Amino acid sequence: SQTIHQWPATLVQPVGSPLSLECTVEGTSNPNLYWYRQAAGRGLQLLFYSVGIGQISSEVPQNLSASRPQDRQFILSSKKLLLSDSSFYLCAWSVWGSSTEAFFGQGTRLTVV
Amino acid sequence: GQNIDQPTEMTATEGAIVQINCTYQTSGFNGLFWYQQHAGEAPTFLSYNVLDGLEEKGRFSSFLSRSKGYSYLLLKELQMKDSASYLCAVKANQAGTALIFGKGTTLSVSS
Repeated sequence: SQTIHQWPATLVQPVGSPLSLECTVEGTSNPNLYWYRQAAGRGLQLLFYSVGIGQISSEVPQNLSASRPQDRQFILSSKKLLLSDSSFYLCAWSVWGSSTEAFFGQGTRLTVV
Repeated sequence: GQNIDQPTEMTATEGAIVQINCTYQTSGFNGLFWYQQHAGEAPTFLSYNVLDGLEEKGRFSSFLSRSKGYSYLLLKELQMKDSASYLCAVKANQAGTALIFGKGTTLSVSS
């Protein structure tokens, strides 16, 4: 069966520090991968999506970036965090080329202080 | 542009029926999804509609009208554990195959 792992679950980082959140998927090949962000009391905002290794599309311009170094690994990064980056970050995957649902990781609660 | 609207909050009592509406305007349409999200947790998939009509799954049903850009999620025999946010999402033609989400409806079920 397919599983998605996202870590860490919670993270407190100082302003100006770097960020690296990692997400891996098991049990499937060539998945579509996504990073979403959810501010308190708001819906999910799509940040990045990837349909293959090294293929990243950005939906919202910001100081975040994403990379996909391996087929089932998706990384969200920042060189310098801002206070406004505090949010709930969710990684998700779906079957490539299919109109099926997306499956979410447990999420990372990031607080920038 | 993409626009997905749903009510911000709803309240209901145990055992009742509640309908959560969602309207959408997107560039293309490849399906509408409903997710449930408890506070502090990841969303979990509830239902999927791509053709017009009603899809039933136990206590949960979802309806779609593509011509009206409209869907609803129907929850029957409400239980306290149904208190959560319900997210409407559309798979459009943009952003690859990513789901575009509405802001969610927070449902509070009281006894």
